[in-house]
Amino acid sequence: QVQLQQSGPGLVKPSQTLSLTCDISGDSVSRDTAAWNWIRQSPSRGLEWLGRTYYRSKWYDGYAVSVKSRITIKADTSKNQFSLQLNSVTPEDTAVYYCAREPKPTGEFDFWGQGTLVTVSS
Amino acid sequence: QSALTQPASVSGSPGQSITISCTGTSSDVGGYNSVAWYQQHPDKAPKLVISEVSNRPSGVSNRFSGFKSGNTASLTISGLQADDEADYYCSSYTTTNTWVFGGGTKLSVL
Repeated sequence: QVQLQQSGPGLVKPSQTLSLTCDISGDSVSRDTAAWNWIRQSPSRGLEWLGRTYYRSKWYDGYAVSVKSRITIKADTSKNQFSLQLNSVTPEDTAVYYCAREPKPTGEFDFWGQGTLVTVSS
Repeated sequence: QSALTQPASVSGSPGQSITISCTGTSSDVGGYNSVAWYQQHPDKAPKLVISEVSNRPSGVSNRFSGFKSGNTASLTISGLQADDEADYYCSSYTTTNTWVFGGGTKLSVL
């Protein structure tokens, strides 16, 4: 059974960097048919896909246009985890952040992390 | 990429059937068989209930079914039960290699 366990701070100051990590058990971050995603949810924006990383002989990533200039998603194969960094945050980035597995190309999100409420406030 | 369009709310009585629609464009729903549906109970992570338009993941009740015609997908829940009361979201892959979600539909079981 795949499990995704999220960790990271729940409070970030405006203009600083939001950083979250998603630990994977029951699968490998470098499996060459899966992709590893970050998604957030807020009352104003609903569910919003942020981006993903995946391995197909080399590492690739892809990001939503809305955050493309501020986001980095990276895999750490030694720890079997992937991470989210979102720079220059504002209160509009306040949301519940989820990591999720996409088990096959253009598939669906079949396993989700537990969610982390991140509040951007001074 | 604009969000997919879902009704804000639907309701039904126990035992009845309901259908939730999800309307997109030829660049997302109409262009791929990558439409999925998620159920979300309060303060919980979304749970996949339908993948690839009409496939039910292992462990999901056969009361859940999916369909797509053109740019509109739909989720039908038959034999409504109290535990079906939740928010439901659709998602689709897009021609820009991104994902888009619907705005969500609140299902009330009266």
